[in-house]
Amino acid sequence: TQLLEQSPQFLSIQEGENLTVYCNSSSVFSSLQWYRQEPGEGPVLLVTVVTGGEVKKLKRLTFQFGDARKDSSLHITAAQPGDTGLYLCAGEDSSYKLIFGSGTRLLVRP
Amino acid sequence: DAGVIQSPRHEVTEMGQEVTLRCKPISGHDYLFWYRQTMMRGLELLIYFNNNVPIDDSGMPEDRFSAKMPNASFSTLKIQPSEPRDSAVYFCASTWGNTEAFFGQGTRLTVV
Repeated sequence: TQLLEQSPQFLSIQEGENLTVYCNSSSVFSSLQWYRQEPGEGPVLLVTVVTGGEVKKLKRLTFQFGDARKDSSLHITAAQPGDTGLYLCAGEDSSYKLIFGSGTRLLVRP
Repeated sequence: DAGVIQSPRHEVTEMGQEVTLRCKPISGHDYLFWYRQTMMRGLELLIYFNNNVPIDDSGMPEDRFSAKMPNASFSTLKIQPSEPRDSAVYFCASTWGNTEAFFGQGTRLTVV
């Protein structure tokens, strides 16, 4: 059974602080995606990483895929209240099956 | 394209009743996923289809749940009979191959 565990589950920080969210698995994935979900809406894709060791940046967000393609991290620099939301990692296997991690609920206080 | 369309947005039903959730994927997408989201269990994959054919239904909780995709533009998830523990938000998502998954707005199901 493929499982993706995210940590931390909850994070409450002050505006301007940095944070890192982790996504870990014992399974190897073809790609790993990060989504953000707001209340009442479905998840929306932030980024996809495909190559082991790959690093992608999206403004203040930095995403990294582990060398063995089993884990990933999301780092946010100088968090803003607009970053508040549920962050989900999702692993895709060779048959295009997409499973999601447990999620990290982020609150950025002004 | 209007995106993935799910209906209804909200459903309240009594225990024992049949519930049918509907999904219209994005035109041209060949994969369709059904997920269930709760605070306790997160976003769980129930079943997914490729070109209207079910590929993996190992996430379907029990025989009370069934899903169909009669054509490329429509899928249903049925629960019969429904139970209070089925209360959750059900999402449908579609993709083209291994590209981005586009989600509908979800159906919030409450079974009383």
